[in-house]
Amino acid sequence: AQTVTQSQPEMSVQEAETVTLSCTYDTSESDYYLFWYKQPPSRQMILVIRQEAYKQQNATENRFSVNFQKAAKSFSLKISDSQLGDAAMYFCACTSGTYKYIFGTGTRLKVLA
Amino acid sequence: KAGVTQTPRYLIKTRGQQVTLSCSPISGHRSVSWYQQTPGQGLQFLFEYFSETQRNKGNFPGRFSGRQFSNSRSEMNVSTLELGDSALYLCASTLGRDGETQYFGPGTRLLVL
Repeated sequence: AQTVTQSQPEMSVQEAETVTLSCTYDTSESDYYLFWYKQPPSRQMILVIRQEAYKQQNATENRFSVNFQKAAKSFSLKISDSQLGDAAMYFCACTSGTYKYIFGTGTRLKVLA
Repeated sequence: KAGVTQTPRYLIKTRGQQVTLSCSPISGHRSVSWYQQTPGQGLQFLFEYFSETQRNKGNFPGRFSGRQFSNSRSEMNVSTLELGDSALYLCASTLGRDGETQYFGPGTRLLVL
């Protein structure tokens, strides 16, 4: 069975600084996909970044990038130049050929002005 | 394109009642997944429907059921409500291929008294 673990329930970062959110996963599949989703307070969940496991290159989206360590089954999210609008719950998720997405328990990110 | 919509947005029910929640996916999307979100538990997968067929389901009791219509709209039903069913219920849609980004609705917040 797939599992996704986010060991940091809450993180804080100063505005304009960099923060890294951790995620580890476990799957027996060789082909899978990893995601980071953002859920702002009282707003809809949206995709931050997506990584295909067969691609060794780390995905990036503007200020958001991942550190994908396949052997270690680690998929951390780095947010550079943090902004107040980055404050949200961040969820890591994994799916692999079963149309079932497994989510972690989330990390609440606070951005301090 | 219009996003994923969910109705109603808020519901208050009492123990023992039943409830039906509705989800309309993005136009052209044929897959709808349902999740239960509670504090500290993250998103728990309920089930996924594609072209009116359930392709996968999570580990929830039989009180939780769903269906999908020919226009891809989906409903989930919870019978004999329990206090522990209080949660935010999210649906997400995709075209239906493996590994796609899910697009989430705003959720239905259910409170069981």
